[in-house]
Amino acid sequence: NAGVTQTPKFRVLKTGQSMTLLCAQDMNHEYMYWYRQDPGMGLRLIHYSVGEGTTAKGEVPDGYNVSRLKKQNFLLGLESAAPSQTSVYFCASSLAGYEQYFGPGTRLTVT
Amino acid sequence: SQQGEEDPQALSIQEGENATMNCSYKTSINNLQWYRQNSGRGLVHLILIRSNEREKHSGRLRVTLDTSKKSSSLLITASRAADTASYFCAAKHSNTGKLIFGQGTTLQVKP
Repeated sequence: NAGVTQTPKFRVLKTGQSMTLLCAQDMNHEYMYWYRQDPGMGLRLIHYSVGEGTTAKGEVPDGYNVSRLKKQNFLLGLESAAPSQTSVYFCASSLAGYEQYFGPGTRLTVT
Repeated sequence: SQQGEEDPQALSIQEGENATMNCSYKTSINNLQWYRQNSGRGLVHLILIRSNEREKHSGRLRVTLDTSKKSSSLLITASRAADTASYFCAAKHSNTGKLIFGQGTTLQVKP
């Protein structure tokens, strides 16, 4: 059981470039989430999904898009990266919205 | 912001001492969860307390919840150097079902 995995682990982008972060889980969880973590800010929810083919906005969705085409995968896209999107991104999954299982994170720097 | 607050922001103790962290939140909740994050890693779920519970134990962890004061505390007894990490509370909003994370307490346990 790999749990929740994220790729890539690190990435540096120039302003205006695009990228996709991939999250995969092998626990058959219905719920999946994308968070960003900034110093002194805790975790803030970007987007989430309550099942295959569904997505919803979280607290800070602007500048991001997501897709959940398969139950085990949740993709986070940045269409035009900005320095304000420099952060550590965490994916998580859960069964029925209870305790969440987190991936190891992706450290993104936008210059 | 809906984010909760944690107190203290940082705590340094000697091995064997107890560590107490406090969390306050702003909304009505279904449950409150505590997570641990080791440096450079994802969050790991520690314990969940439901809104109709007042106290819960798990090993060396003791969690209390006071819904009238919208606050919770996490007590780690007989601390070990391996407990060094950041600890986050997360309140599950009863209307939206989303987890609202606190800003975290950084605990250092000196051997």
